[in-house]
Amino acid sequence: NAGVTQTPKFQVLKTGQSMTLQCAQDMNHNSMYWYRQDPGMGLRLIYYSASEGTTDKGEVPNGYNVSRLNKREFSLRLESAAPSQTSVYFCASSVTGPFSEQYFGPGTRLTVT
Amino acid sequence: QQPVQSPQAVILREGEDAVINCSSSKALYSVHWYRQKHGEAPVFLMILLKGGEQKGHEKISASFNEKKQQSSLYLTASQLSYSGTYFCGTEEKAGANNLFFGTGTRLTVIP
Repeated sequence: NAGVTQTPKFQVLKTGQSMTLQCAQDMNHNSMYWYRQDPGMGLRLIYYSASEGTTDKGEVPNGYNVSRLNKREFSLRLESAAPSQTSVYFCASSVTGPFSEQYFGPGTRLTVT
Repeated sequence: QQPVQSPQAVILREGEDAVINCSSSKALYSVHWYRQKHGEAPVFLMILLKGGEQKGHEKISASFNEKKQQSSLYLTASQLSYSGTYFCGTEEKAGANNLFFGTGTRLTVIP
């Protein structure tokens, strides 16, 4: 049981480049999430998917797109990276319901120069 | 909206107790607590629901005052392994599943 996996672990991009962060979970969870974590800011929700086929914006969606490819996979795309998107990105998943603790992946550290 | 945590940082000696507070300006359905060690992913500690139900860690307790829109995490007889940054996440309505996280409380336990 791998839990939540993310690729890549580290990435350096130049301003304007695009990339996709991959996330997969093997816990049969319906809900999946993408967060970014910046120093002093805590975790901020970018997008989430309550079930396969649905996605919704979180607090900070600008500059990002997501795809819920199937129940297991939820990807985050940066179309034109900016230095302000330098951050650590975490994917998480959970069951749907009241005791919906979130399980986090190991994170992707992204630097945009 | 983002909840406010206090204190921002605390240093304890092994065996001492600490309380971490989380407050929101919005009515809450649930409060989640997570701990994150440096360079690692956040790990679930506890969920407290409106109405009193809770689920979580055996050695760490928490309270949820719905009227005051506040939650507190109680760390008793702290161990070195308790060191890390503690985050509260608030859920404003049932089934929303999207949490608003506080900025964290950095706890350091020293021998």
